[in-house]
Amino acid sequence: DTEVTQTPKHLVMGMTNKKSLKCEQHMGHRAMYWYKQKAKKPPELMFVYSYEKLSINESVPSRFSPECPNSSLLNLHLHALQPEDSALYLCASSQVLSPGANVLTFGAGSRLTVL
Amino acid sequence: AQSVSQHNHHVILSEAASLELGCNYSYGGTVNLFWYVQYPGQHLQLLLKYFSGDPLVKGIKGFEAEFIKSKFSFNLRKPSVQWSDTAEYFCAVITNFGNEKLTFGTGTRLTIIP
Repeated sequence: DTEVTQTPKHLVMGMTNKKSLKCEQHMGHRAMYWYKQKAKKPPELMFVYSYEKLSINESVPSRFSPECPNSSLLNLHLHALQPEDSALYLCASSQVLSPGANVLTFGAGSRLTVL
Repeated sequence: AQSVSQHNHHVILSEAASLELGCNYSYGGTVNLFWYVQYPGQHLQLLLKYFSGDPLVKGIKGFEAEFIKSKFSFNLRKPSVQWSDTAEYFCAVITNFGNEKLTFGTGTRLTIIP
């Protein structure tokens, strides 16, 4: 299995809702990432987990809450989002967080619309 | 902080034309360099990567890239493009070893006219 699977593919939520995005990989990768991609823009790093521990938080607002329950799963919990948070949220994984082993495999993304 | 520049925002070519997309990065130390492609409606896929060794790297689908350290460049090339190469192309770099952050360039939209 060489894929990163993200669910749901599409999500529409109101500003008061609580929802979660899920990401799963079975490649034995120990580093997992969340990126945000706005239309016609490059992906921007949000969070990095290494061995299930949060390694990088790119000053993301607290309305986004990541969770890595085990080495195969990565969640992004969403609460009280704003319309400008509407974007494609990409999950990625890599073998480990070290030079020469950090080739990221990306999922197809979850397209989020905040009303 | 590292940055990546892709000066070609939108490139339009006819089939069979040769392609070169520019990528420059700003960092004086050791780099890992990547080109990713995003076909319409699809996920980001790795085209090729450079870690060390031969500066001319070959990737999938006939693409290649050359790392020129003195120019801080990693340009993507293909001798003859096909309609199916229509996509968004992103150059990316990791420079801060121990704090692994893959930074993407702004992307180049490639449109191939049949």
